[in-house]
Amino acid sequence: GAGVSQSPSNKVTEKGKDVELRCDPISGHTALYWYRQSLGQGLEFLIYFQGNSAPDKSGLPSDRFSAERTGGSVSTLTIQRTQQEDSAVYLCASSLAAGAKVNEQFFGPGTRLTVL
Amino acid sequence: AQSVTQLGSHVSVSEGALVLLRCNYSSSVPPYLFWYVQYPNQGLQLLLKYTSAATLVKGINGFEAEFKKSETSFHLTKPSAHMSDAAEYFCAVESSASKIIFGSGTRLSIRP
Repeated sequence: GAGVSQSPSNKVTEKGKDVELRCDPISGHTALYWYRQSLGQGLEFLIYFQGNSAPDKSGLPSDRFSAERTGGSVSTLTIQRTQQEDSAVYLCASSLAAGAKVNEQFFGPGTRLTVL
Repeated sequence: AQSVTQLGSHVSVSEGALVLLRCNYSSSVPPYLFWYVQYPNQGLQLLLKYTSAATLVKGINGFEAEFKKSETSFHLTKPSAHMSDAAEYFCAVESSASKIIFGSGTRLSIRP
């Protein structure tokens, strides 16, 4: 398909385990974003990749969270030693480039993470 | 720093009534503003965006928003609500660092 895809769609894990969430952006999109949406909350910015520039990690809530983007395409968000408060829907978005004229973000369906 | 505030976490209107979802922004530079919609169990999609070309912006599904600099507002309206409009709506602003800052969202419910 031509849209942003995320996997898995649902992930249930036990407290203390590590999880990896994957995002496949739209081909050709140089900007990629990760957000967290907790129940009843808005979208919390986590991290932003733009081309080959250093990522903007200012939204990562703790050092248990990290993300990488390999080859300027696929991105993986890793949460180490998961806690129950990490339970949320993790959304990925991509855009053609930075800059508002082209900065329409296309969102994936999200990964619902449940930490027991 | 740029930010947006959405007034009202939940708005309920009758089918056929006017929809008004409020958004106020804070920005030290001319802002670029967006409204996104999230239908139940779906991802977010762009409704409309303001990029300084015109103050009244028309989007999909009959929605429009007007940029008012004097009021620092970008409220979303639709003249006549439809049941299918029930969703979560997010106002957003592009920061100077080219990332999108979202508001906390407004859940729109439509009464038959």
